[in-house]
Amino acid sequence: TQLLEQSPQFLSIQEGENLTVYCNSSSVFSSLQWYRQEPGEGPVLLVTVVTGGEVKKLKRLTFQFGDARKDSSLHITAAQPGDTGLYLCAGSNAGGTSYGKLTFGQGTILTVHP
Amino acid sequence: DAEITQSPRHKITETGRQVTLACHQTWNHNNMFWYRQDLGHGLRLIHYSYGVQDTNKGEVSDGYSVSRSNTEDLPLTLESAASSQTSVYFCASSTFRTSGRVGEQFFGPGTRLTVL
Repeated sequence: TQLLEQSPQFLSIQEGENLTVYCNSSSVFSSLQWYRQEPGEGPVLLVTVVTGGEVKKLKRLTFQFGDARKDSSLHITAAQPGDTGLYLCAGSNAGGTSYGKLTFGQGTILTVHP
Repeated sequence: DAEITQSPRHKITETGRQVTLACHQTWNHNNMFWYRQDLGHGLRLIHYSYGVQDTNKGEVSDGYSVSRSNTEDLPLTLESAASSQTSVYFCASSTFRTSGRVGEQFFGPGTRLTVL
């Protein structure tokens, strides 16, 4: 069974601060996705990374896939209250019996105070 | 617009009762998934389906069943509800992968189930 360890589990910061969320595994994944979830709603995809060492930017959010495709990070610059939510990483292996399935980390609850 | 819906949004039931949670998608996706979400555990896969008449067990399938009679629906049944099954349940759907990449999963709004 592949596991994804996400840290920290809780993060409470002030508006304007920077933060990083980590997602680590001992297993190799063919792709890694990051989702954001708001209260009372389902998760929504932010980004998919597929190549070791890949970096993707989405406005103030920067996503990185580790060179060995075992880990990923999400960095938010100058956090805003609108960034508040639950952030989930999810790994997948595109082949074999694991096709189409995602393994989720435990999630990081981010609260950004005005 | 295509969407994925779940019903009911909230459900309270008693231990031992059979409960069915509905999931309906209009994306025409072949893949459908059921997850439960509990604090500290993220999303855990219960059952999934790659198409009509196909169902597979996920990592926490005990006490749950699904059936896929058409593309649009994947109902989740709790055969005999237990207090340990109190949770928030999410249904999701996705396309077949293309170019070696796993497709985005689209999630429903969730069903909050309480078993007393």
